[in-house]
Amino acid sequence: KNQVEQSPQSLIILEGKNCTLQCNYTVSPFSNLRWYKQDTGRGPVSLTIMTFSENTKSNGRYTATLDADTKQSSLHITASQLSDSASYICVVSVKPTGTYKYIFGTGTRLKVLA
Amino acid sequence: NAGVTQTPKFRVLKTGQSMTLLCAQDMNHEYMYWYRQDPGMGLRLIHYSVGEGTTAKGEVPDGYNVSRLKKQNFLLGLESAAPSQTSVYFCASSSGGEQYFGPGTRLTVT
Repeated sequence: KNQVEQSPQSLIILEGKNCTLQCNYTVSPFSNLRWYKQDTGRGPVSLTIMTFSENTKSNGRYTATLDADTKQSSLHITASQLSDSASYICVVSVKPTGTYKYIFGTGTRLKVLA
Repeated sequence: NAGVTQTPKFRVLKTGQSMTLLCAQDMNHEYMYWYRQDPGMGLRLIHYSVGEGTTAKGEVPDGYNVSRLKKQNFLLGLESAAPSQTSVYFCASSSGGEQYFGPGTRLTVT
């Protein structure tokens, strides 16, 4: 069964600290993996996309890693800011035939405190 | 570009009432999707469309209907609302890769 699991469910950190969010997936055939940021009351917005051959992708203070062998991804946030408070969703795409199919994780809710 | 817009933003329905949620995109995307998001669960696909005039069932289609009469619009209908349909509904569009999401519609069924 195609599945995406994220940990931790929630996380509280102090402003300026770093944190790492985890995503494990059992999805086949793998096409790509995206991390989305979802602010409260808003729709998800894409942060990074990684294909099978990519190990690391950065977007400002956000760095995503992908280990296709262990089927794990992480999102590292450096020097956190209050505006980083949001839910972070890992989404894995599959494309067995024709249309893409998206498998969503349940998200990690991050709270950054001043 | 407005991207993906959704109407309305909030709605309260009584059990048994009907309503239509409207999604519009101005990116000329072929694919459009309707999801629901419930606490503690990932986004779940209700219905999707791969082009104007086409629709297909997703993971949780029961109790919902959709139509894609124009490429830029994707309508989600609830014929007889039930409390189990209380949720936040998101529309998304894509050209086959990245999905772009709307701001969501918060629906409460009492």
